[in-house]
Amino acid sequence: AQTVTQSQPEMSVQEAETVTLSCTYDTSESDYYLFWYKQPPSRQMILVIRQEAYKQQNATENRFSVNFQKAAKSFSLKISDSQLGDAAMYFCAYRILYFGNEKLTFGTGTRLTIIP
Amino acid sequence: EAQVTQNPRYLITVTGKKLTVTCSQNMNHEYMSWYRQDPGLGLRQIYYSMNVEVTDKGDVPEGYKVSRKEKRNFPLILESPSPNQTSLYFCASSLTLRREGHRGEQFFGPGTRLTVL
Repeated sequence: AQTVTQSQPEMSVQEAETVTLSCTYDTSESDYYLFWYKQPPSRQMILVIRQEAYKQQNATENRFSVNFQKAAKSFSLKISDSQLGDAAMYFCAYRILYFGNEKLTFGTGTRLTIIP
Repeated sequence: EAQVTQNPRYLITVTGKKLTVTCSQNMNHEYMSWYRQDPGLGLRQIYYSMNVEVTDKGDVPEGYKVSRKEKRNFPLILESPSPNQTSLYFCASSLTLRREGHRGEQFFGPGTRLTVL
């Protein structure tokens, strides 16, 4: 079974500090895409960052970066200089091409609180 | 503006009363999908469609139906809703992974909050 595990249901960080959200996944496929989505109180799903599994270089988007460890099947999100607007639920997900079909699997989420 | 729209945004209904949640996208995406979000469970895929007239089950398809008669629309049908289908539902669309220039990510609608009494 394809699974995504986010072991931290809740995290908190002081404003301007750095926080890392963890994500591990399990797939036997070699080609896939990994994502972090943010869901603020508005409930809108917002893409934070994406990573292609065939790329060794870790993706970065401004204050957001990932640590992608393919062999360990780990995909953590680092948020630098945390801001109040970063408070949200964060979901890790991957997408694979699987026997001609495409499936997207999400983790259970990590709720991030920013402490002023 | 490129977007995925869902209607209604909020719906309260009673057990057994058939309902349809509409989803439409204007980005010419082949791939469309429905998810439900429940506390502690994250988002779970209900059904997806790789193209017109091509649909397949996701992880939690029981109690739901879908159809894909047009590329832009992908309605979710609950023939006989039950209280355990009370949830937040998201529709999403994207290019397929086989398409040149795809970036892999899905574009989500605003969500539909469904309550079944």
